[in-house]
Amino acid sequence: GAVVSQHPSWVICKSGTSVKIECRSLDFQATTMFWYRQFPKQSLMLMATSNEGSKATYEQGVEKDKFLINHASLTLSTLTVTSAHPEDSSFYICSTVAERLRAGSYEQYFGPGTRLTVT
Amino acid sequence: AQKITQTQPGMFVQEKEAVTLDCTYDTSDQSYGLFWYKQPSSGEMIFLIYQGSYDEQNATEGRYSLNFQKARKSANLVISASQLGDSAMYFCAMREGRYGGATNKLIFGTGTLLAVQP
Repeated sequence: GAVVSQHPSWVICKSGTSVKIECRSLDFQATTMFWYRQFPKQSLMLMATSNEGSKATYEQGVEKDKFLINHASLTLSTLTVTSAHPEDSSFYICSTVAERLRAGSYEQYFGPGTRLTVT
Repeated sequence: AQKITQTQPGMFVQEKEAVTLDCTYDTSDQSYGLFWYKQPSSGEMIFLIYQGSYDEQNATEGRYSLNFQKARKSANLVISASQLGDSAMYFCAMREGRYGGATNKLIFGTGTLLAVQP
């Protein structure tokens, strides 16, 4: 079953408004979550690393004031796209790390993604 | 800086045949992990297989196997007995460092679109 959920799965908003995307780890605690964005037919690009109880670490070129990340609990991280513009339209995916049952192996689980369209 | 290269933008394979998806990587770190993910048209990222840099044996997961050639810095995915449901985008990814904290971020290749033909 899914170990990471995202809400909403898709959202359409008007230019200038803000949109919040939630990422939840199910049945386990995630001290670190990652936010990616993916443009159509392109690869996933890491935007930021979200750490529970501390400030997020943003990748180069990502505007921290535009993409606000809050990781207030061990199971929830939120990404808020502030003053959204059409160029922010993209597929946003969160992920976290969980250790597999087999020793020495682990996986990075991804949420199902949120498709944002800014009109 | 680490880098992942997937040179095949698209691949065709006949149903029931095997296919190899190429992936090369570049890193100066001695400890790293390599992943393959499948992304169908729905957009979800499905974990397929993992190979640690210190793993001596090639990873296998059902019909998926990873041909890990450390000296050549390649980590090709082999899918045996292709099925129609295997049609999707496949991403190779690399993580530097051991489990724990911010070092677990993944860097992705550009992906290979696989089409399985009946």
